[in-house]
Amino acid sequence: QKEVEQNSGPLSVPEGAIASLNCTYSDRVSQSFFWYRQYSGKSPELIMSIYSNGDKEDGRFTAQLNKASQYVSLLIRDSQPSDSATYLCAVEFFTSGTYKYIFGTGTRLKVLA
Amino acid sequence: DAGVIQSPRHEVTEMGQEVTLRCKPISGHDYLFWYRQTMMRGLELLIYFNNNVPIDDSGMPEDRFSAKMPNASFSTLKIQPSEPRDSAVYFCASSFFSAGGTDTQYFGPGTRLTVL
Repeated sequence: QKEVEQNSGPLSVPEGAIASLNCTYSDRVSQSFFWYRQYSGKSPELIMSIYSNGDKEDGRFTAQLNKASQYVSLLIRDSQPSDSATYLCAVEFFTSGTYKYIFGTGTRLKVLA
Repeated sequence: DAGVIQSPRHEVTEMGQEVTLRCKPISGHDYLFWYRQTMMRGLELLIYFNNNVPIDDSGMPEDRFSAKMPNASFSTLKIQPSEPRDSAVYFCASSFFSAGGTDTQYFGPGTRLTVL
């Protein structure tokens, strides 16, 4: 079983709609959770980080964390064509005295104008 | 700040040759990470350093790969000998420690390696 799993997509949504991206992770001592956005041919850049259960909002982005169910999600409201990219979920575990930082394989989002 | 700097941006080499990738982290960051990204396997952590000391190299695929960080502003990832299956984009990232862990990682532009 992969430690961090995402649906590869593509997830297609019309412009102005809400895009919902999901990520599940294995049962480890998970510390922190991150969503990165990666445009084609570019490097990943952080969108959101979340550390405790519940919702965290930043502009059009909302991250949701549910540790009991082992999932973290990202909602993008009023989706724009410029949001079209691959979204990577990353989970930071602390195990055997070290931090491990594991990325999912990403979900490709296409926002249709 | 110029961000994380990587060189070269593109590298084409022949199988069996030595390849050295370079990284300059953001000043003040005490963590440095090396990743490899392929379509098949996604983004994989190879090794990371804290204060120039290698902490976890469990992601290094085999002995052909080695990484060093001689000082806080420079790191190298070396592949010797290189093989076609090493073809990938290699990213370097840096971050600083916070109470919750290693916090946000800032990625360099990556080095696209092609081994013929």
